[in-house]
Amino acid sequence: SQTIHQWPATLVQPVGSPLSLECTVEGTSNPNLYWYRQAAGRGLQLLFYSVGIGQISSEVPQNLSASRPQDRQFILSSKKLLLSDSGFYLCASNSDPSSDTGELFFGEGSRLTVL
Amino acid sequence: GNSVTQMEGPVTLSEEAFLTINCTYTATGYPSLFWYVQYPGEGLQLLLKATKADDKGSNKGFEATYRKETTSFHLEKGSVQVSDSAVYFCALMNSGYSTLTFGKGTMLLVSP
Repeated sequence: SQTIHQWPATLVQPVGSPLSLECTVEGTSNPNLYWYRQAAGRGLQLLFYSVGIGQISSEVPQNLSASRPQDRQFILSSKKLLLSDSGFYLCASNSDPSSDTGELFFGEGSRLTVL
Repeated sequence: GNSVTQMEGPVTLSEEAFLTINCTYTATGYPSLFWYVQYPGEGLQLLLKATKADDKGSNKGFEATYRKETTSFHLEKGSVQVSDSAVYFCALMNSGYSTLTFGKGTMLLVSP
């Protein structure tokens, strides 16, 4: 089965500082990869998804960006953080790339606090 | 567009009580429907799913039936345990698309 690693688990950053959250996937090849943000009272918001190396789709315009330099690596970045970027960021991968059933495996998340 | 609406929480129950968490959806076509669960401090896990009308998904004592006529996928469990305390997310995916649309989540708190 798949395992998704996210780091760092917790991060406290000042406004205006850069951000890099990393996600790696084990146990599968050519997965679809996703970044979700979970903010208080707002549920899960899809930020980016990727169907392959270098292919990124953005769901919500914002000051965040994503990159996929390798098949099983997905990075979420920002050049200058805003207070509103605070939240719990979850990386996810689909369970069966060949059939795309909609089932996702999630990492344990990265909690970002912007002060 | 697609959307999922869940009842607001928290839902507070005593152990062994009956649980219902309502979920309704708006989507074009015939989506697949899912319930995910998030235990404290963790990511989400798939709890159950249904891919077509009248299908019943079940797992760990939880059940949900895909009701096309009412566009609903309510989650039920006959007897909750303290260990069921978590946030529950209803979600849908349209065929041919690669992304899930989630509801806002419903927190369940079960006391002994």
